[in-house]
Amino acid sequence: DADVTQTPRNRITKTGKRIMLECSQTKGHDRMYWYRQDPGLGLRLIYYSFDVKDINKGEISDGYSVSRQAQAKFSLSLESAIPNQTALYFCATSAGTGNANYGYTFGSGTRLTVV
Amino acid sequence: QKEVEQNSGPLSVPEGAIASLNCTYSDRVSQSFFWYRQYSGKSPELIMSIYSNGDKEDGRFTAQLNKASQYVSLLIRDSQPSDSATYLCAGGANAGGTSYGKLTFGQGTILTVHP
Repeated sequence: DADVTQTPRNRITKTGKRIMLECSQTKGHDRMYWYRQDPGLGLRLIYYSFDVKDINKGEISDGYSVSRQAQAKFSLSLESAIPNQTALYFCATSAGTGNANYGYTFGSGTRLTVV
Repeated sequence: QKEVEQNSGPLSVPEGAIASLNCTYSDRVSQSFFWYRQYSGKSPELIMSIYSNGDKEDGRFTAQLNKASQYVSLLIRDSQPSDSATYLCAGGANAGGTSYGKLTFGQGTILTVHP
């Protein structure tokens, strides 16, 4: 089984619908992140969480919300999907503590299309 | 200046050559650096991390960090067609800053190794 699992892998949804992307991990990492990737724009941070009670906005959080249900689970919601939220979404985890930075482990991604 | 900026590419090299990928960064991301490889439609995979000035070698890969000039590079020796991918440079925020624990990614450089 993958260390970081994202569901669904692919999703097509209609404008205005609510959709949830789920992420679970078996790494035992405290830090979890949601990024979106668009051609030419690279990876951009949506939300991040350093523990269950710590949720922070990233650079492009508008239109998104998150829930950290447990250390191992971090979900991303689009309350009312719009076409420009069509992208590849990645969940990632990190073992970093304090001021240290460590590399991320990424999930396999969710390809979301809003029509 | 973007926090992390990569040479735009795409880069094409013949099989067996050295591929050189470069990345510059701003003062806000000068603690730790990472190189990821991403195959089309797949998630990024961590291939190198570097924290201090100088070179770090791992097999055919060498990461170089020059903090005075604020650049980090990745050399791939004896390039193979299987190295064809997008390479992402990422930097971690300064210790003590409010952005610690997050990575900022460059936009990626597409590398093609042709037989």
